[in-house]
Amino acid sequence: EIVLTQSPGTLSLSPGETATLSCRASQSVSSTYFAWYQQKPGQAPRVLIYGASSRATGIPDRFSGTGSGTDFTLTISRLEPEDFAVYYCQQYGTSFWTFGQGTKVEIK
Amino acid sequence: QVTLRESGPALVKPTQTLTLTCTLSGFSLTTSGMRVSWIRQPPGKALEWLARLDWDDDEFYSISLKTRLTISKDTSRNQVFLTMTNMDHVDTATYYCARTRGYQYYFDYWGQGILVTVSS
Repeated sequence: EIVLTQSPGTLSLSPGETATLSCRASQSVSSTYFAWYQQKPGQAPRVLIYGASSRATGIPDRFSGTGSGTDFTLTISRLEPEDFAVYYCQQYGTSFWTFGQGTKVEIK
Repeated sequence: QVTLRESGPALVKPTQTLTLTCTLSGFSLTTSGMRVSWIRQPPGKALEWLARLDWDDDEFYSISLKTRLTISKDTSRNQVFLTMTNMDHVDTATYYCARTRGYQYYFDYWGQGILVTVSS
């Protein structure tokens, strides 16, 4: 089973700053099957990025995803108040999905 | 409009069997390429994928929970079910159903989730 490790666990930033979130896989994953989600308290996750770098419908362009192989990054530029949340990476392979443990982006 | 809605008991006792229902709207699991998964999240913890059912009746399960899980459907009611046997306190979590489709293996629609507490 592929393990996804996210870092940092918590990111304390101010609105307007840039957040850089990392997700490292224990073995190479297909970019096609790599995604990022945002989850706010009491809500279901929402897909932000799929295929490692494609924004989902309605996602602002301040969210961007890069990476391949074992290292993936989610960048949130110009943080807005509504961006403070928990972010999860996800990969799919051989019929199974795995998620990272999450990165919390909190207001500094 | 695509929606998924989970329903089931909020409280189960240890050793009992949990059955959850996911009611689909705006799409059907009989449509080629559609897939519905169950995912859970213990309070304050990460997401864990549990099981998946495809339009062609293929079933897939988490390796670690495979012996306790059964996923099934009632196409006439557009519902997908998850059964989990021998519930334990560590199974306390919010349970979500979510959709993937076609060549997209990310979850594009989620239910609101149902919190299931395991307690005697």
